Amino acid sequence: AQKITQTQPGMFVQEKEAVTLDCTYDTSDPSYGLFWYKQPSSGEMIFLIYQGSYDQQNATEGRYSLNFQKARKSANLVISASQLGDSAMYFCAMREDVYDMRFGAGTRLTVKP
Amino acid sequence: NAGVTQTPKFQVLKTGQSMTLQCAQDMNHNSMYWYRQDPGMGLRLIYYSASEGTTDKGEVPNGYNVSRLNKREFSLRLESAAPSQTSVYFCASTTGQSYGHEQFFGPGTRLTVL
Repeated sequence: AQKITQTQPGMFVQEKEAVTLDCTYDTSDPSYGLFWYKQPSSGEMIFLIYQGSYDQQNATEGRYSLNFQKARKSANLVISASQLGDSAMYFCAMREDVYDMRFGAGTRLTVKP
Repeated sequence: NAGVTQTPKFQVLKTGQSMTLQCAQDMNHNSMYWYRQDPGMGLRLIYYSASEGTTDKGEVPNGYNVSRLNKREFSLRLESAAPSQTSVYFCASTTGQSYGHEQFFGPGTRLTVL
């Protein structure tokens, strides 16, 4: 069964605007972590932001924030003030136990000048 | 610190050939992982090593073997390569002590099997 779902294969956003990338997950474990990674065209995987299942507040890291809605099992990534360098693939991932991490299929974001 | 390094960066094999992908980390991490990335499927876990001396299967282990040589190094071996193993392979590591720690990734190996 698919544990992580990213329903947007591709997204476009105008430079300087905000964009939301969707992620829903499926788990019955009360303890888990949610992660977002960025993969630019050069191919490396860059960690962006983390949200724990018990965290009361939404995580933020600079221009990145995670809109965590636990009851809906969603963990959307919000990028504010988009920049051309934000054009990349974005992956949502979940870790239920210490060793296993599952990834979504990714969303390709293109920032238009 | 180099972080996580992988060799080679690119490799072309013929069906039936064997090869070993090398991975090393210098962050003193306990846990190491091998993933494959195929178009439209995200990353899938092949094998992982929770700590030195242990290895376990992930989601897609068939056709692969691994060795945790020491705390720093974790290698992935294809004994008899098949075209279905054409993919980008990533090695990752983490402290591994809880689900709250992110994984650090190497630059990847692009493998083509003809």
